[in-house]
Amino acid sequence: DTAVSQTPKYLVTQMGNDKSIKCEQNLGHDTMYWYKQDSKKFLKIMFSYNNKELIINETVPNRFSPKSPDKAHLNLHINSLELGDSAVYFCASSTRLAGNTGELFFGEGSRLTVL
Amino acid sequence: SQQGEEDPQALSIQEGENATMNCSYKTSINNLQWYRQNSGRGLVHLILIRSNEREKHSGRLRVTLDTSKKSSSLLITASRAADTASYFCATRDPGTGANNLFFGTGTRLTVIP
Repeated sequence: DTAVSQTPKYLVTQMGNDKSIKCEQNLGHDTMYWYKQDSKKFLKIMFSYNNKELIINETVPNRFSPKSPDKAHLNLHINSLELGDSAVYFCASSTRLAGNTGELFFGEGSRLTVL
Repeated sequence: SQQGEEDPQALSIQEGENATMNCSYKTSINNLQWYRQNSGRGLVHLILIRSNEREKHSGRLRVTLDTSKKSSSLLITASRAADTASYFCATRDPGTGANNLFFGTGTRLTVIP
């Protein structure tokens, strides 16, 4: 049983297109995240979201938007794709329950290639 | 930026040797976590050390933390080829009120059989 699953695993698209990456977690966690990992393996937080608040990294372009239909899902929508958006995008989740240390559980990543 | 730095960026050792990776961070922390990433896979949590702890062990892993120097180290003893992966430290700044984990730049470890 996959704890955090994201689809698609690979996505190749043209500049200017709009695309979405889906993420689902079955851990019952209350907080979900999107991270971007570039070609140098730098991991950068893009968003964190629970059912009360969305925290956006101010450096993320507004072409990127998270959408959460329910607690178990956090999808990533990207409009007007640019070459620099090519990266691996990771979804993750955690829980804020008292005593929890905030360990993140990651999906396997979605490799986006913009041509 | 809250992102930490790790050194070395890359480390290559023979199987059976010990591997030490270092992490420096910039803000105050509640805890520091280490993650492992196999090639083409997601990150997996390895071990966590709280800010009031100085050393912690888990199997072949040993983590130290020096909050005065804002640094941590991860030691893998008796390395195996299967330990080949990238290793990241991660911290959360309690002052921000956010739950975000900020990751270091990672150390790529290669264990040669």
